[in-house]
Amino acid sequence: DTGVSQNPRHKITKRGQNVTFRCDPISEHNRLYWYRQTLGQGPEFLTYFQNEAQLEKSRLLSDRFSAERPKGSFSTLEIQRTEQGDSAMYLCASSLVTRGDAYGYTFGSGTRLTVV
Amino acid sequence: DQQVKQNSPSLSVQEGRISILNCDYTNSMFDYFLWYKKYPAEGPTFLISISSIKDKNEDGRFTVFLNKSAKHLSLHIVPSQPGDSAVYFCAAAEGGKLIFGQGTTLQVKP
Repeated sequence: DTGVSQNPRHKITKRGQNVTFRCDPISEHNRLYWYRQTLGQGPEFLTYFQNEAQLEKSRLLSDRFSAERPKGSFSTLEIQRTEQGDSAMYLCASSLVTRGDAYGYTFGSGTRLTVV
Repeated sequence: DQQVKQNSPSLSVQEGRISILNCDYTNSMFDYFLWYKKYPAEGPTFLISISSIKDKNEDGRFTVFLNKSAKHLSLHIVPSQPGDSAVYFCAAAEGGKLIFGQGTTLQVKP
């Protein structure tokens, strides 16, 4: 296993278009997280899954954003009708939740979205 | 409102000296804290963590100190090396997620 994989690495899209990002977590990890990072800021929580169940969504996640993890493995994050304010680095992370270690996140390298 | 704050955007130290990165938080219910390091074009990588039942955790050159009464934690790197140059994020655990600070860019000069 080579870690958390995110595709594409870069995406440039025109305002109003839809985009979809994919995240492949570490195979034995049961939790998957999406974060967004803008310049000069730390990662901001968007949503997370335990297996295929989406357990929490941030209020940052407007109705233009949707995330899925259909079989408890890979996940997709879709942004509809993109806006320039959506330009950011989208980070995926995964972790294995056990009784003693719920926070050992492994992050992917991210997908950088530029909306023009 | 920023629940986890890193008030110093950048820090520059000489190789071999101590680097001290600071972090403040507002929510006294946070019970677990972590530090991550991030190089350009890579995702953050986990560095060290501390539970609120402790006031210090050490791992090699890295030590994290927690002062619950002041709602403050710090990361000490001794001795600092040029390869430590990166952005450092502190994070607090809330439920199933982490809340990150804004980051501090550390530059270690040879």
